Amino acid sequence: AQTVTQSQPEMSVQEAETVTLSCTYDTSESNYYLFWYKQPPSRQMILVIRQEAYKQQNATENRFSVNFQKAAKSFSLKISDSQLGDTAMYFCAPPSDNTDKLIFGTGTRLQVFP
Amino acid sequence: GAGVSQSPSNKVTEKGKDVELRCDPISGHTALYWYRQSLGQGLEFLIYFQGNSAPDKSGLPSDRFSAERTGGSVSTLTIQRTQQEDSAVYLCASGPGGYNSPLHFGNGTRLTVT
Repeated sequence: AQTVTQSQPEMSVQEAETVTLSCTYDTSESNYYLFWYKQPPSRQMILVIRQEAYKQQNATENRFSVNFQKAAKSFSLKISDSQLGDTAMYFCAPPSDNTDKLIFGTGTRLQVFP
Repeated sequence: GAGVSQSPSNKVTEKGKDVELRCDPISGHTALYWYRQSLGQGLEFLIYFQGNSAPDKSGLPSDRFSAERTGGSVSTLTIQRTQQEDSAVYLCASGPGGYNSPLHFGNGTRLTVT
């Protein structure tokens, strides 16, 4: 079974600062994708960023980037120039197993304050 | 285009009653998931449908929970003899299938069992 750990239940950051959310996982797969999702208070889950495991270059989407360390099975999310709208729960979704079932970490609640 | 639609958005029921929650996935998506989210908590996997394959029911918490997907499209999650611990937000997500594909989520159904 695949496992994932988000060790930071809650984090806070001041507007315009940078924050990093951690995620570690376990998998026996060699080729896979990793995802970060955001769930604002509106409850709508939104894809933030996706990383392909066979690509050495870390994915970047505007202010969001990942630090992917395949050997360490670590997949952290960095948010630069934090904005109030970044306040949300963030979920890491690691590799699925052969059945493609997608499981999530327990989430990190991020609060951005002025 | 239309996203994932869930109905009702809110449901209040009395303990012991049966409830049905509906999910309309994005047209053409072969993968469909149900997740449960208790207040402020992470996403608990319930069930996964992929095309014509037998569904992965490994996350259903008890035999009071069941789900079906008709014609590879609409899905219904049924909870029989509801209990207060069933109170949660039930999220549906669909995707084009495959381990490299992100999911698209509905806004969820908030179930309250009194």
